[in-house]
Amino acid sequence: QKEVEQNSGPLSVPEGAIASLNCTYSDRGSQSFFWYRQYSGKSPELIMFIYSNGDKEDGRFTAQLNKASQYVSLLIRDSQPSDSATYLCAVPSSNTGKLIFGQGTTLQVKP
Amino acid sequence: GAVVSQHPSRVICKSGTSVKIECRSLDFQATTMFWYRQFPKQSLMLMATSNEGSKATYEQGVEKDKFLINHASLTLSTLTVTSAHPEDSSFYICSAILAVSTDTQYFGPGTRLTVL
Repeated sequence: QKEVEQNSGPLSVPEGAIASLNCTYSDRGSQSFFWYRQYSGKSPELIMFIYSNGDKEDGRFTAQLNKASQYVSLLIRDSQPSDSATYLCAVPSSNTGKLIFGQGTTLQVKP
Repeated sequence: GAVVSQHPSRVICKSGTSVKIECRSLDFQATTMFWYRQFPKQSLMLMATSNEGSKATYEQGVEKDKFLINHASLTLSTLTVTSAHPEDSSFYICSAILAVSTDTQYFGPGTRLTVL
């Protein structure tokens, strides 16, 4: 089992729809969770981080965390073509503190 | 805040030459920086952790004599790829954390290395 797992996609949604990106992790000791967006040929850009169970909203983005089920998700409301990118879930190891990345989910928002 | 820069953004070199990549934290002091490598259609792979004033910690399988890391100041870390070969061609990305007490990493724009 990979430490951080994401469906590689591509996930295709129409413009204006809600895109739901999911991530599961294996380290029960993890305390913080990050979502990065990476456009093709560019480096990752931090979108959100979440520490507590529940939802955290920032503009069109909502991160959801369920530590009991060991999953974290990212919802993008009113999806725009400019949201088309690869979304990386990252979880610091509770042992080493190093950031463990999932493979990323490619999102395609079609006009 | 939390801006990280890298230089150069793109470099093409001949096999056998050495290439230096700089990573700078522009508006904060970074005691810890990280170097990643990313091959096409793959996720980021941590190469090493760079700590100011001390030796870098390399991940398993990363040759420390080939990938030289120097973190000489609180705002600058350098990665030197020595005797580069075509298989070293990749996207090299650095990141920095804002403070020792946080684990949020901010990434530089990356350096595309092509070894001919």
